[in-house]
Formats: sequence, C-alpha cells, structure tokens
Amino acid sequence: DVKVTQSSRYLVKRTGEKVFLECVQDMDHENMFWYRQDPGLGLRLIYFSYDVKMKEKGDIPEGYSVSREKKERFSLILESASTNQTSMYLCASSLFAVSTDTQYFGPGTRLTVL
Amino acid sequence: KNEVEQSPQNLTAQEGEFITINCSYSVGISALHWLQQHPGGGIVSLFMLSSGKKKHGRLIATINIQEKHSSLHITASHPRDSAVYICAVGGGSNYKLTFGKGTLLTVNP
Repeated sequence: DVKVTQSSRYLVKRTGEKVFLECVQDMDHENMFWYRQDPGLGLRLIYFSYDVKMKEKGDIPEGYSVSREKKERFSLILESASTNQTSMYLCASSLFAVSTDTQYFGPGTRLTVL
Repeated sequence: KNEVEQSPQNLTAQEGEFITINCSYSVGISALHWLQQHPGGGIVSLFMLSSGKKKHGRLIATINIQEKHSSLHITASHPRDSAVYICAVGGGSNYKLTFGKGTLLTVNP
C-alpha cells in the first residue's frame, strides 16, 4: 500500500513566520502535489513536482514555494505566512503524471495563521 | 477550464437507504475520479472512470460521456459511509484535475 505522510496534523503559526510543511511518500513515485482545501471551494493545486528538483506552478502558487531534494520528500514553504493562508493543506503522489492515474493523499495539515 | 458541479451539497439519509450523488462537468474529459474524505482525515480514491460503470462492494459509479455526467451510488448505506464525496475530472495527457466542492453525506443509524 502507498503511504503518504505529512509532518503535522495541526499547526498554528504567527503572521510573518516562515512555515515548512513536509510530505513523504514510500512508493517511489515520480510525481508529487501540494493542494489547499478551503470550505466552499474544491481542492486547488499549489505546486506539482515531476522529479527531484523539478517543479511546476499550479493554479495558486502565489505566496508559496516548494523544495524537492529527494524523490520521496516534497516540502511546501510559506515564506511569510499570512492569515489568508489559513487552510487545510494536502499532499499527494502518483506514479504517472496523467489524469487517469490515481493520486494517493496524505492525512492533511490544518494550518492556522494568527 | 472545466466547471465541475456536484449535487446535492448536503445529503442526510437513514441507514439502509440507497444514496445517489451526482457530478456534472462542462468540457470533455479523459478521466473522472470519485474520492472519499472522512472528517478530519485524508482523501481516499474510490474509482477512476473513463467510460461505463464500476462496482466495488456497495459502491457503484457510472459515467455518461455524451451527457457529461457521473453518479456515485451507495447501496444499503451505513453510518460509516458518512463522509465528504468529491468528484474530480481531468483531460488529455495532462496530470491536472479539477475538483468539485464535495457532497457531505450523513447516514444516521
């Protein structure tokens, strides 16, 4: 079974802090994703990575950056957290970078920025 | 950009009832996914459809490509089926998915 883990289930940070969200997958998947989920909105893609050190911006990359130094680990970075980044953050991975492939999701990190 | 609409937004049922959740989209697709999210939990993939019908236990998913519509059915619903059900669509060889807002299902004992 694919397992995707995220470093924290709940996180509270102050405005202006630098925040790191970590995601690790154990199935040797090339492709990893960061989404945010807000009430009344569908999941929205922040960033996608298709290989080590390779990334693509998603639909809402503003205010975020990512790092993929090892195949199994994909980090989301909030350079200077703001209250409008309070959200649920979900990481996912997939074997192939096509819409027909299954994405495997982590448990999510609920981030609150005060 | 594909528009994905799910209905209903909220659904309450009694244990044992037959449940139907609907998903409509605006642009032709290669794949439609049904996902399940339990309260406070991560998301689990239930089905991927490109045509026809799939069945897994008490869950059945159908898709009508011409009408741009899919349904997720749950037979003999149970309180453990209570969750948010999310429809997501993707087109071509692109990895990107467009997600619906989800349907919150509550099954009472």
